[in-house]
Amino acid sequence: GIQVEQSPPDLILQEGANSTLRCNFSDSVNNLQWFHQNPWGQLINLFYIPSGTKQNGRLSATTVATERYSLLYISSSQTTDSGVYFCAASLSGGYNKLIFGAGTRLAVHP
Amino acid sequence: EAGVTQFPSHSVIEKGQTVTLRCDPISGHDNLYWYRRVMGKEIKFLLHFVKESKQDESGMPNNRFLAERTGGTYSTLKVQPAELEDSGVYFCASSQRTSGTSSTDTQYFGPGTRLTVL
Repeated sequence: GIQVEQSPPDLILQEGANSTLRCNFSDSVNNLQWFHQNPWGQLINLFYIPSGTKQNGRLSATTVATERYSLLYISSSQTTDSGVYFCAASLSGGYNKLIFGAGTRLAVHP
Repeated sequence: EAGVTQFPSHSVIEKGQTVTLRCDPISGHDNLYWYRRVMGKEIKFLLHFVKESKQDESGMPNNRFLAERTGGTYSTLKVQPAELEDSGVYFCASSQRTSGTSSTDTQYFGPGTRLTVL
């Protein structure tokens, strides 16, 4: 089945810094989503981005499907950005079940 | 618009007991998914309903787990009898449809049910 790998596993930033999180996937996908798991454990949907680029405020994401990777950019980070960021993908031609990466744990310090 | 809701938020039971988790998807979403994250592991797919039919149950760990979605609305996930290794967070998600590369495929997750088996 499809493999989803995220890097780095852990990231520590000072407030105001920018960061890039990476997600590699092993096969063609028809769905790729980025999530933020907040301190209460809730998975917040950030982007649905099987290809192309999207932006939402300080966050943006780019997926290069032909090269099988996706990037999540966080600019001017804030302490509220702390938490775990998950990438999840589903296989093209499959039933749309999401395969999750292990996550990137981000800590933003004031 | 209400999001995906799950009940209960927490459940603590003893080994051998039965627990039933409930998920209410976003209104109008035909697709409903169950996932879980057990201690220290990644979030794993359990099964997928399209309306009331099981589309994919390849992730169900064993026959102690039974999922239903009568009438194609809410879903229940029953664990009977519960074992220690079933402890974790159970997430439910829903999407409008599965068309392939459409934003209507976006899966929205509920807050999860934290299950502890003692």
